[in-house]
Amino acid sequence: DIQMTQSPSSLSASVGDRVTITCRASQDIRDDLGWYQMKPGKAPKRLIYAASTLQSGVPSRFSGSGSGTEFTLTINSLQPDDFATYFCLHHNLYPYTFGQGTKLDIK
Amino acid sequence: QITLKESGPTLVKPTQTLTLTCTFSGFSLTTSGVGVGWLRQAPGKVPEWLGIIYWDDDKRYGPSVKSRLTITKDTSRNQVVFTMTDADPVDSATYYCARQIYDIGGFDYWGQGALVTVSS
Repeated sequence: DIQMTQSPSSLSASVGDRVTITCRASQDIRDDLGWYQMKPGKAPKRLIYAASTLQSGVPSRFSGSGSGTEFTLTINSLQPDDFATYFCLHHNLYPYTFGQGTKLDIK
Repeated sequence: QITLKESGPTLVKPTQTLTLTCTFSGFSLTTSGVGVGWLRQAPGKVPEWLGIIYWDDDKRYGPSVKSRLTITKDTSRNQVVFTMTDADPVDSATYYCARQIYDIGGFDYWGQGALVTVSS
């Protein structure tokens, strides 16, 4: 199975800050990666697909980059609604696997 | 508008079979390239991909549940059924169904999830 190593596991930031989350894959996954936002009691939301393509309807302050084994999610100018847990998920091979998650909370 | 909703029991006894239904709207599972997957997240744990069924009835399962899981579809009712035998307390989690467009991968629309507890 492909292992996804995500960092940091938690992050404290303020409204207006810029934050970056990283996922590293244990082998080359091309750009077969998405970033998801999860909040308790709500449907998970995909933010980025194909590593760097913004999902329709997602604010442009979210951006993704990378290919191969290293990927980043950047959130510019954090808004109150952005405080949540973020996961990367690859779909290069079965089984799909998630990163360990990054919990973003308010400083 | 695309929606998915999971339904089923909230409590299952160990060794029983867990059956969940995903009822969706706004797309068809007869359309080439469409799939519906199942994922779960136990409290405080990393989410886990469990399996997926595609428009052509191809199915893939995750290794931790492969021997116990069956996913089927009823295209006339726009439903996907998740059946997992021999439930164990470690299967307690929120279960999600989600749509995939095969050429893009990942999951673009998700249900809100169904919390299932396995306990005697």
